[in-house]
Amino acid sequence: GIQVEQSPPDLILQEGANSTLRCNFSDSVNNLQWFHQNPWGQLINLFYIPSGTKQNGRLSATTVATERYSLLYISSSQTTDSGVYFCAVNSGGYQKVTFGTGTKLQVIP
Amino acid sequence: DVKVTQSSRYLVKRTGEKVFLECVQDMDHENMFWYRQDPGLGLRLIYFSYDVKMKEKGDIPEGYSVSREKKERFSLILESASTNQTSMYLCASRWRNTEAFFGQGTRLTVV
Repeated sequence: GIQVEQSPPDLILQEGANSTLRCNFSDSVNNLQWFHQNPWGQLINLFYIPSGTKQNGRLSATTVATERYSLLYISSSQTTDSGVYFCAVNSGGYQKVTFGTGTKLQVIP
Repeated sequence: DVKVTQSSRYLVKRTGEKVFLECVQDMDHENMFWYRQDPGLGLRLIYFSYDVKMKEKGDIPEGYSVSREKKERFSLILESASTNQTSMYLCASRWRNTEAFFGQGTRLTVV
């Protein structure tokens, strides 16, 4: 099956700093999503981005499907950005959504 | 907005009990999923359903079964709960191959 790797696995930022999270996948995908898992465990949808670039406030994402990667940019980070960020994909005719390994972000005041 | 609701946020059950985890979505999505999440192992797919009464095994179906009698509801059943099924359980739904939406999660502890 498709492999999804995220980097870095852990990241500590000072409040106000910018960061880039990366998601690499091993095969072509039909869709790609970015999620933020909050401290209570809920997965919050950030972007649905099979290709191209999207922006939502301080967050933006770019997926280059032909090169099999996606990037999530966080600008002017806040403590509420802390948590785990996942990318998730599915490929071919399969309905299954495969999750990446996650990036654990901690933003300190 | 899509809403996916799991019946319990926290659940404590005894070894050997039959456990039902319920998930309801309000957007007429045909696809629904159950995942479990464990530290160091990420999110793993248990079962998914692509229509009423239709189901497919995911990566770790052993010890679980599912039921989908109505389109909006997808139930995960632990036939005889064991301590190694202590985990965070997450339900999701989506329309065809598009964006997936998750419930708030159920933290199950089996003692």
